[in-house]
Amino acid sequence: AQSVTQPDIHITVSEGASLELRCNYSYGATPYLFWYVQSPGQGLQLLLKYFSGDTLVQGIKGFEAEFKRSQSSFNLRKPSVHWSDAAVYFCAVDNEKLTFGTGTRLTIIP
Amino acid sequence: GAVVSQHPSRVICKSGTSVKIECRSLDFQATTMFWYRQFPKKSLMLMATSNEGSKATYEQGVEKDKFLINHASLTLSTLTVTSAHPEDSSFYICSARDLGTGTYEQYFGPGTRLTVT
Repeated sequence: AQSVTQPDIHITVSEGASLELRCNYSYGATPYLFWYVQSPGQGLQLLLKYFSGDTLVQGIKGFEAEFKRSQSSFNLRKPSVHWSDAAVYFCAVDNEKLTFGTGTRLTIIP
Repeated sequence: GAVVSQHPSRVICKSGTSVKIECRSLDFQATTMFWYRQFPKKSLMLMATSNEGSKATYEQGVEKDKFLINHASLTLSTLTVTSAHPEDSSFYICSARDLGTGTYEQYFGPGTRLTVT
């Protein structure tokens, strides 16, 4: 069965600092991988996705993620965070149905 | 882009009553829709997969007689919580796959917050 691990429950960074959110997955084949963001009381917005090809994928809002097969990882990065990036971020793997990680709550301090 | 709506966004009902939540794909056709439940500060848990014109497939531990799912058209799926109890209070989110893209990408609705008193 597929699974997703997000080891960081809560991360706090200063505005303008760089960000990396970790995601590891367990799946037999090459998975379809996603990062979603959820603002308080809202649904999910897709940040980026990886299906195949270039392992470095660019998303919206300046986010990018890199698929590393050898490490079974799909970490999310942003070079400089903005206060509006404060939210909960979910990594997910899809094989006909989505399996979500437990999420990482991002807090931005001025 | 693909838009999924949910109605209502927030509902309060009394214990023992039933409540229906609608999920619509506004600008695309969705043969498959999904229903998720999210507890406070927790991840999304898949409840069921809804296929147009056929019975929904429920995940293990989800009571199909309590959470009735109907997917009558390519743009509408409904979730009815029957005989609701306070423990059914939660945030319910639906998603839909765009038939036209042929990809696994799901588009999510904004969610419905159910409070059972």
